[in-house]
Amino acid sequence: SYELTQPLSVSVALGQTARITCGENNIGYKNVHWYQQKPGQAPVLVIYRDSNRPSGIPERFSGSNSGKTATLTISRAQAGDEADYYCQVWDSSVVFGGGTKLTVL
Amino acid sequence: EVQVLESGGGLVQPGGSLRLSCAASGFTFSSCAMSWVRQAPGKGLEWVSGISGSGGSTHYADSVKGRFTISRDNSKNTLYLQMNSLRAEDTAVYYCAKHVSSSIWLNYFDYWGQGTLVTVSS
Repeated sequence: SYELTQPLSVSVALGQTARITCGENNIGYKNVHWYQQKPGQAPVLVIYRDSNRPSGIPERFSGSNSGKTATLTISRAQAGDEADYYCQVWDSSVVFGGGTKLTVL
Repeated sequence: EVQVLESGGGLVQPGGSLRLSCAASGFTFSSCAMSWVRQAPGKGLEWVSGISGSGGSTHYADSVKGRFTISRDNSKNTLYLQMNSLRAEDTAVYYCAKHVSSSIWLNYFDYWGQGTLVTVSS
């Protein structure tokens, strides 16, 4: 079965850039989507089709996808960005990565 | 404003049944596929099942195939999940999620409900 690999946790200093990866062989050939989930809340779409931001998502959020790794980049990280982040692709069904907890120091 | 609101969760014994509902508003319901996604306590997201906008196509995760049935009533803008033969490992928050098109395939979710908790325990 298709599995997406994410780091369990990523830490970033306030105002710096955080990068969260999502890995799988040939992920570069797939559309990758990213969701943010804050404690006790529902997931929110932050990036779709590798690098597109829904309306209302700050420009600080960006995405890329190539080869074996897709990356969610959060520039000028803020305390409010602390959350779990999940990548998602379609591979005969919906597949989510295991999630990455982002801590802003 | 797009809204999806789940209901029907609760405590059920192993082997029991439960039906979840998801009431949708703010968009053309029949034009959008819908899915159920669950999250066990302290765990990640797991897709459970999806249904096309017309209701003519359904898809299930292997973990629930044969036990869960997804359906929709487009006249009532409501999505359902009938859950039978429930197991302890089905304990989770169940989210209703809207797809961006009428097809389940190659898709992603642009709106999610707040979830309803299902607890399977004796």
